[in-house]
Amino acid sequence: ELKVEQNPLFLSMQEGKNYTIYCNYSTTSDRLYWYRQDPGKSLESLFVLLSNGAVKQEGRLMASLDTKARLSTLHITAAVHDLSATYFCAAGSWRGGGSNYKLTFGKGTLLTVNP
Amino acid sequence: DAGVIQSPRHEVTEMGQEVTLRCKPISGHNSLFWYRQTMMRGLELLIYFNNNVPIDDSGMPEDRFSAKMPNASFSTLKIQPSEPRDSAVYFCASSRTRQEAQYFGPGTRLLVL
Repeated sequence: ELKVEQNPLFLSMQEGKNYTIYCNYSTTSDRLYWYRQDPGKSLESLFVLLSNGAVKQEGRLMASLDTKARLSTLHITAAVHDLSATYFCAAGSWRGGGSNYKLTFGKGTLLTVNP
Repeated sequence: DAGVIQSPRHEVTEMGQEVTLRCKPISGHNSLFWYRQTMMRGLELLIYFNNNVPIDDSGMPEDRFSAKMPNASFSTLKIQPSEPRDSAVYFCASSRTRQEAQYFGPGTRLLVL
């Protein structure tokens, strides 16, 4: 069974600092997804990473994937208050003989950016 | 596009009552997902459909939960009878294919008293 672990689960950082959120998954995964959820709101797709070495960037967020290490990272550069949210990673995999594709979500990382 | 539409946005009901949640996916999306989110259990996939056909309902908690997708533009999740432990935020999401990014609706906040 595919398991996804994120760390840290809670992250408090100062504006202007850099930090990385880690996402480990236990077995082979087809794709790796990152989502953002603001308090009391829905989830918003940030990135989909397809292959080993994939890197995607949007603003101050950069996601990368290392399939050999079964690790994805979400790097935050020069954090600003607007980035405060919960960030989820999810690993996708085929099951049941290839007809069933499901995402397994991590528990989420609650990021608070302080002035 | 309007995005995924869910109704109602909030529902307060009493234990034992039937609850029906509704979802309209993004036009052209072939996969539809129902999730439940609570503080204790996080985000759980309840069921998903591909081309209106249920593919995996292993996350449906018990027989009190049922879901249908009669056509490509509408799905329902029904709880009958409801119990206080069903209180949660229920999200519907859709994606163009099973592997592409999922777009989440605003959610239905359900409180069962």
